[in-house]
Amino acid sequence: EVQLVQSGAEVKKPGESLKISCKASGYSFTNYWIGWVRQMPGKGLEWMGVIYPSDSDTRYSPSFQGQVTISADKSLTTAYLQWSSLRASDTAMYYCARPGDRREFDYWGQGTRVTVSS
Amino acid sequence: EIVLTQSPATLSLSPGEGATLSCRASQSVSSGYLAWHQQKPGQAPRLLISGASSRATGIPDRFSGSGSGTDFTLTISRLEPEDFAVYYCQHYASTPLMYTFGQGTTLEIK
Repeated sequence: EVQLVQSGAEVKKPGESLKISCKASGYSFTNYWIGWVRQMPGKGLEWMGVIYPSDSDTRYSPSFQGQVTISADKSLTTAYLQWSSLRASDTAMYYCARPGDRREFDYWGQGTRVTVSS
Repeated sequence: EIVLTQSPATLSLSPGEGATLSCRASQSVSSGYLAWHQQKPGQAPRLLISGASSRATGIPDRFSGSGSGTDFTLTISRLEPEDFAVYYCQHYASTPLMYTFGQGTTLEIK
């Protein structure tokens, strides 16, 4: 059974750094891209970027390029999303999701809520 | 960059009725890379349809997808109480690599 299990909710102050995780299981981690999707409070879904764990090829949405860093650890079958300096506008729910054979996001993590407030 | 526009923004219907949700692309897209997701309050999205018309595993047959080119439709034949949720269309483009979501349609109980 494919599962994506994300790390827990975070409360941070502006300017702090953060790295959240997505642990994958039930499939060959290196054979599929894995991505991140943002959902701001009361809003829709926004694609942030994807990584191919086999060779760490990473692609970002132009809206998020330079704002976040996506990485993956093959040995831990875990993908990461990190910020070097958070802003209040980063407050959102973040989902990891796996693109399937037709590039549809066929499996989703449960979400990680990030709150940035002074 | 492809933009997906969903309509209507909100659809108010009663259980037992049929629902038709639209997703229009700003340019012709491959139907092979068009998907639909359902999101209920407090939950992660769930894949309903891939390749414009193929139901994902475990999705009831009252859900169907159709369309090609720039116009795609999600149809729910007989609404059950658990179908009231937000629905998103999603597209993948390979060059440059890009995933796009529509802004969503909220299906609410009338």
